[in-house]
Amino acid sequence: QAVVTQEPSLTVSPGGTVTLTCGSSTGPVTSSHYPYWFQQKPGQAPRTLIYDTNNKHSWTPARFSGSLLGGKGILTLSGAQPDDEADYYCLLSFSGARFVFGPGTKVTVL
Amino acid sequence: EVQLVESGGTLVQPGGSLRLSCATSGFTFNTYSMTWARQAPGKGLEFVSYIHSSSSPIFYGDSVKGRFTVFRDNSKNSLYLQMNSLTAEDTGIYYCARNSAGSDWFHYWGQGTLVIVSS
Repeated sequence: QAVVTQEPSLTVSPGGTVTLTCGSSTGPVTSSHYPYWFQQKPGQAPRTLIYDTNNKHSWTPARFSGSLLGGKGILTLSGAQPDDEADYYCLLSFSGARFVFGPGTKVTVL
Repeated sequence: EVQLVESGGTLVQPGGSLRLSCATSGFTFNTYSMTWARQAPGKGLEFVSYIHSSSSPIFYGDSVKGRFTVFRDNSKNSLYLQMNSLTAEDTGIYYCARNSAGSDWFHYWGQGTLVIVSS
């Protein structure tokens, strides 16, 4: 089964920029993996920030953006705020109707 | 307002069975596909199951295939997850989520229901 990789943790300064990556053990991540990004705060359900690589929801703050770069899915947070401290998960879709979440990245704003 | 309310989570013994429910409101249930995901305590998210609005196709995660069954009752605006042969590895919070058009999955999430498999 495919393994999805993410950084375990990242730290960003308030107002700074941080890049989260989402990789696949099967090869480069492409738009055909429909990368998703989810934010989860302690004790809360996840909420979806980005779907299908770079599509935002109405509730997705403008400071979040999704893309592909270097064979990985990318979530960029520009202008980090204390409220952005959370766990971030990516999800990739694989052939054969397999959907695999990454292990998550804990983002600290400090 | 879209609402998804999971229920049915409880303590169950290994080898036992449990049925989770997801009651929905605020949208036309029979036109949306739905998804189940779970999260073990202190761990990450895991895809469990997907069901189309018409109940076909259906997909399962590898770890639950053959043990879990997803189904829906469009007349009751409800989604279900029948879980059999439960093991400790099935312990966690189970979330239902409503998908939207195309690749817009997990558009809305419920708050989850906790399943504990333990003797």
